[in-house]
Amino acid sequence: QSVLTQPPSASGTPGQRVTISCSGGSSNIGINTVKWYQQLSGTAPKLLIHNTDQRPSGVPGRFSGSKSGTSASLAISGLQSEDEADYHCAAWDDSLNGWVFGGGTKVTVL
Amino acid sequence: QVQLQESGPGLVKPSQTLSLTCTVSGGSINSGAYYWSWIRQHPGKGLEWIGYIYYSGTTYYNPSLKSRLTISLDTSKNQFSLKLSSVTAADTAVYYCAQSNRGLRDAFDIWGQGTMVTVSS
Repeated sequence: QSVLTQPPSASGTPGQRVTISCSGGSSNIGINTVKWYQQLSGTAPKLLIHNTDQRPSGVPGRFSGSKSGTSASLAISGLQSEDEADYHCAAWDDSLNGWVFGGGTKVTVL
Repeated sequence: QVQLQESGPGLVKPSQTLSLTCTVSGGSINSGAYYWSWIRQHPGKGLEWIGYIYYSGTTYYNPSLKSRLTISLDTSKNQFSLKLSSVTAADTAVYYCAQSNRGLRDAFDIWGQGTMVTVSS
């Protein structure tokens, strides 16, 4: 059971906007920044979003992150076939004194 | 370009100690800009933070693993290591080493390719 809660799956057709939620609590998302990682099949995760809404260089602008209260979201605008992957959210938890992750959301491009 | 590479046995017997090493190339492990991390992923599951170590030797461990866990640095070899004792089948997972970048609010910005460890007799 992951500390952060994500839906197990999401899907969309090419060009659509897909949003993935990540629900946490007052000791993690509520007071700390959120990170998002993309994991293509059979590969290591890759940093997609840091500091809740910041993209590292090289990450396409169609990926965006946001937060409200104890929940965060990742949006993919203009979904592309290469976006088919697992997406994981993460945040530091001040109560557990450690990093916590969501269970991951598998995005399928229909 | 910093790269990380995990190494170690792919099979460990129950009750024994799992030992993995991460070799850092293209950068120095003796830098205050990063934490050096271990993260694992059980088959078909999400990610689990194991712990990390700072260049000073200060360690931060997942409370659920702390009693069995040791993370250490070898600055002469530019490596850091993981030892997890008294393993069971529940420790079967892909183990990743990763760089946690303090400049990116400690985001894990560089990852090794991962190594599968199976606990079985």
